[in-house]
Amino acid sequence: GAVVSQHPSWVICKSGTSVKIECRSLDFQATTMFWYRQFPKQSLMLMATSNEGSKATYEQGVEKDKFLINHASLTLSTLTVTSAHPEDSSFYICSARDRVGTEAFFGQGTRLTVV
Amino acid sequence: AQTVTQSQPEMSVQEAETVTLSCTYDTSESDYYLFWYKQPPSRQMILVIRQEAYKQQNATENRFSVNFQKAAKSFSLKISDSQLGDAAMYFCAYRRTGNQFYFGTGTSLTVIP
Repeated sequence: GAVVSQHPSWVICKSGTSVKIECRSLDFQATTMFWYRQFPKQSLMLMATSNEGSKATYEQGVEKDKFLINHASLTLSTLTVTSAHPEDSSFYICSARDRVGTEAFFGQGTRLTVV
Repeated sequence: AQTVTQSQPEMSVQEAETVTLSCTYDTSESDYYLFWYKQPPSRQMILVIRQEAYKQQNATENRFSVNFQKAAKSFSLKISDSQLGDAAMYFCAYRRTGNQFYFGTGTSLTVIP
């Protein structure tokens, strides 16, 4: 299957700082990317959907000013957690699909710890 | 709204035996896709199998097969000849024509040696 690379795999940051997570499709053009948050032993919670060149569509309850998503190219989307707080600590996963693809391919995930 | 329900939070199976994981979903759409994803301890999501709703034939991928009952909105996963490497969280997912995926709450599968 196609490869989606997510970086970093883990990050620790101080409260109040911002953290950027990158999601790259390595061998296909990702017209759509999804960002999820996953709490321990729980399912994936969709945060937002982004189409290349367009503003992201956020799910209800997700603060767009806190979780900034940029999908400026067909191979790269970024999620920036601004002014991070300990409650933002979680596992964040991106996935991507191309224009005609049926399935989505997932990155390895990023474990964010805010101290 | 579309919902995906996995009623078995945890399942266990003896190595080499067969296990079936359940999934039901709710939709008013007629054209959609269903998936089973596996999430091992590494937490990398891996596609196990997918099913197009318009296909009556159940999908099969080696030891993995599904029982797709469209009228009942049921999509179970059968794992045959279970292996230790099959131990993981399994998520059922639904996607309508368009973008959004909806995931179930997951089933944690333990394989007993």
